[in-house]
Amino acid sequence: GENVEQHPSTLSVQEGDSAVIKCTYSDSASNYFPWYKQELGKRPQLIIDIRSNVGEKKDQRIAVTLNKTAKHFSLHITETQPEDSAVYFCALGGSNYKLTFGKGTLLTVNP
Amino acid sequence: KAGVTQTPRYLIKTRGQQVTLSCSPISGHRSVSWYQQTPGQGLQFLFEYFSETQRNKGNFPGRFSGRQFSNSRSEMNVSTLELGDSALYLCASSLSGGVNTGELFFGEGSRLTVL
Repeated sequence: GENVEQHPSTLSVQEGDSAVIKCTYSDSASNYFPWYKQELGKRPQLIIDIRSNVGEKKDQRIAVTLNKTAKHFSLHITETQPEDSAVYFCALGGSNYKLTFGKGTLLTVNP
Repeated sequence: KAGVTQTPRYLIKTRGQQVTLSCSPISGHRSVSWYQQTPGQGLQFLFEYFSETQRNKGNFPGRFSGRQFSNSRSEMNVSTLELGDSALYLCASSLSGGVNTGELFFGEGSRLTVL
């Protein structure tokens, strides 16, 4: 069945540095890979997503890369800012009307 | 337009009681999903509804149930509450229902505490 491992569980960086969060999965049927950001006390919100026919997608300072052969995908945040501090969740989607989420990464950006 | 609305936002129950949580999706969204969020466990899928039909259910005991009404509003019920049911219950709606086709819009959640 679907399973996704997310690493690291916590990540602390200095403002301006880059941050990378990686997720690995096992279900080959997964074809949708979104990333959600949840600020403290707030609802999760989609920040970027990628589909299985695309290897990389960028949106300003964030990017996601997908390696379907190795079954892993990563979130890259460049030039981090304090407002990037949050919990980030990767997720898997297929044709079964649900998302399977990773356990989250607490990102702290230190000014 | 209005976002996903969940009620109540906070509630405290005792073991053995039952609880009903409500979710109103974004207007025009026909798919509603429910997730349980606990510290360190991420978001765990409970169920998904589309046009009043449950299309998928997660690995939760039968004490967890849900339904969707003709106006797309959804409710979930937990019976015979246990301490481990304490969690944030998140509802999410989407336009088409196929999660692999687009964004899930989450509500702010209902925080349940079981004493």
